Amino acid sequence: QVQLDQSGAELKKPGASVKVSCKTSGYTFMRYDINWVRQANGQGLEWMGWMNPSSGNTGYAQKFQGRVSMTSDTSVTTAYMELTSLKSDDTAVYYCARSHVATNHLDHWGQGTLVTVSS
Amino acid sequence: DIQMTQSPSSLSASVGDRVTITCRASQSISTFLSWYQQKPGTAPKLLIYGASSLQSGVPSRFSGSGSGTDFTLTISSLQPEDFATYYCQQSYSTPWTFGRGAKVEIK
Repeated sequence: QVQLDQSGAELKKPGASVKVSCKTSGYTFMRYDINWVRQANGQGLEWMGWMNPSSGNTGYAQKFQGRVSMTSDTSVTTAYMELTSLKSDDTAVYYCARSHVATNHLDHWGQGTLVTVSS
Repeated sequence: DIQMTQSPSSLSASVGDRVTITCRASQSISTFLSWYQQKPGTAPKLLIYGASSLQSGVPSRFSGSGSGTDFTLTISSLQPEDFATYYCQQSYSTPWTFGRGAKVEIK
């Protein structure tokens, strides 16, 4: 079955960077985009961007341009999201999610990774 | 960016009730509309994609309709496990955007 397993919780200081991993299994990794969505405590869902593991192409929400990098290692079917220059309002649960090619709906999600930014 | 407006933001309902949640896009998105269910402390779960297609494994009491700018999620007979927050999301053009959610609570 399709699974996306994310790395564990992180505690970072303001100005630092964080890199979250998303290990996938149960499907052909290169056939689907991976998206990253975040959710601050008690808030809604915010899409950050996508990456295509086959081409390496990416697309980022303007809000995160210049601060986010989405990559993958096809040899271990794992996607990564790195966010730099962290601020306190980056504290959130970060999810990876697979998107279907034709309609881009997010059909499988990781369990989420809590990133806390605090001095 | 395409804005997604959900209503109501919250509602109280009883087991067995028919529940309807609406989502309006700020411009036409054809049928590039999905619905997700989220329970506290868990990841969102896809219910409906393409505005009206039921995701595999999702109970048939969930249904979606609409096209263009106006969409509806209906739960035909609310069950105890359906108490959750529901989000719509457009995938017509990036950035993909979500509604602010509709929390379904027990009456």
